[in-house]
Amino acid sequence: KQEVTQIPAALSVPEGENLVLNCSFTDSAIYNLQWFRQDPGKGLTSLLLIQSSQREQTSGRLNASLDKSSGRSTLYIAASQPGDSATYLCAVRPQAGTALIFGKGTTLSVSS
Amino acid sequence: NAGVTQTPKFRVLKTGQSMTLLCAQDMNHEYMYWYRQDPGMGLRLIHYSVGEGTTAKGEVPDGYNVSRLKKQNFLLGLESAAPSQTSVYFCASSALAGTVETQYFGPGTRLLVL
Repeated sequence: KQEVTQIPAALSVPEGENLVLNCSFTDSAIYNLQWFRQDPGKGLTSLLLIQSSQREQTSGRLNASLDKSSGRSTLYIAASQPGDSATYLCAVRPQAGTALIFGKGTTLSVSS
Repeated sequence: NAGVTQTPKFRVLKTGQSMTLLCAQDMNHEYMYWYRQDPGMGLRLIHYSVGEGTTAKGEVPDGYNVSRLKKQNFLLGLESAAPSQTSVYFCASSALAGTVETQYFGPGTRLLVL
């Protein structure tokens, strides 16, 4: 059974720091992996999606990498800002058309 | 283009009452999903649908039923609500666009069962 783990569960950093959020999954046979952002009391916003054949995806200050063989993905946030404060969720899709399997998230707090 | 919408946004039920949560998407997506999110548990799949008229159980289906009579709508029913069903419910939809499949989420429904 696929399991997704995110470490750390919570992270506090000062504004301007570069940071890395980690995601690991137990079964390397995945279709794709998606990173989401969730603000308190809100829904999920997709940040980046990495297909199984890709190594990384970039959007603005965000970079997500994927290493299928080791069952790991990282989300790199450059020059963090207070507006980045949110919970970040990692999710894997085992096969096309199947539901996502989520980690429990990392709650990020960026102080000014 | 509203994306994925959910009705209602918030509801309070008494134990034993029934209700239906409505999810609607206007992106012509084939796949639709219902998740629940609980503190410390992350998001867990309740039921899903791979097309109009089809439904399947997810990880935590007990106490829920679903229907997909129209492609754009996915209904989640609670026949006899229990306090353990207090949660935030998210609907999502996705479609294969080439080889890329992104899942879009609704804003959530907060349910409190007393």
